Amino acid sequence: QTGLTQPPSVSKDLRQTATLTCTGNRNNVGNQGAAWLQQHQGHPPKLLSYRNNNRPSGISERFSASRSGNTASLTITGLQPDDEADYYCSAWDSSLSVWMFGGGTKLTVL
Amino acid sequence: QVQLVESGGGVVQPGGSLRLSCAASGVTFSSYTMHWVRQAPGKGLEWVAVISYDGGFEYYADSVQGRFTISRDNSKNTLFLQMNSLRTEDTAVYYCAREFSAFDFWGQGTLVTVSS
Repeated sequence: QTGLTQPPSVSKDLRQTATLTCTGNRNNVGNQGAAWLQQHQGHPPKLLSYRNNNRPSGISERFSASRSGNTASLTITGLQPDDEADYYCSAWDSSLSVWMFGGGTKLTVL
Repeated sequence: QVQLVESGGGVVQPGGSLRLSCAASGVTFSSYTMHWVRQAPGKGLEWVAVISYDGGFEYYADSVQGRFTISRDNSKNTLFLQMNSLRTEDTAVYYCAREFSAFDFWGQGTLVTVSS
């Protein structure tokens, strides 16, 4: 099962904007979109958005998601020190009947 | 307040078995599809298995198909993962997660170590 592709790391300055990407295919990201999760070291993941840009209650508007074709994106504006974490995308693959995760992107806030 | 609490992890020899549990509270457990997701030390998230709200369907990752079985007892608000024929590469923190459009609530995880 080939997973979703994310860049291993992204570094941005404090208060800047970071855009993280997640590439799949027409059966997963291109079909129902992607969810995005944030994970701080030693903690379980936290859902940031689902089906491209639906935010659960309590998630800051600084986090916004979108999709273009088979690539999903998560944009984080006004970067804060606490945004430094691992970010994962996830999608259901309708062809394989499995959920997939990307390999994760480690975001460093400089 | 939704709470998911995993238990049952531990150290087991290759070829052995373990049964993980995930106790749910603060939620109508029987209404939700549930998942197991694992994370090997220092690695990313790996989806393991899913079971529908009523146990009507189950799906598994190729890496565990035929060795792991997901089940649930809605009368006890509990999710299970029976793990057989364990391998060293199954060593990971195992999380249970609720699905509401995506993985919206997670437990704290339980560590499974497969080692001789």
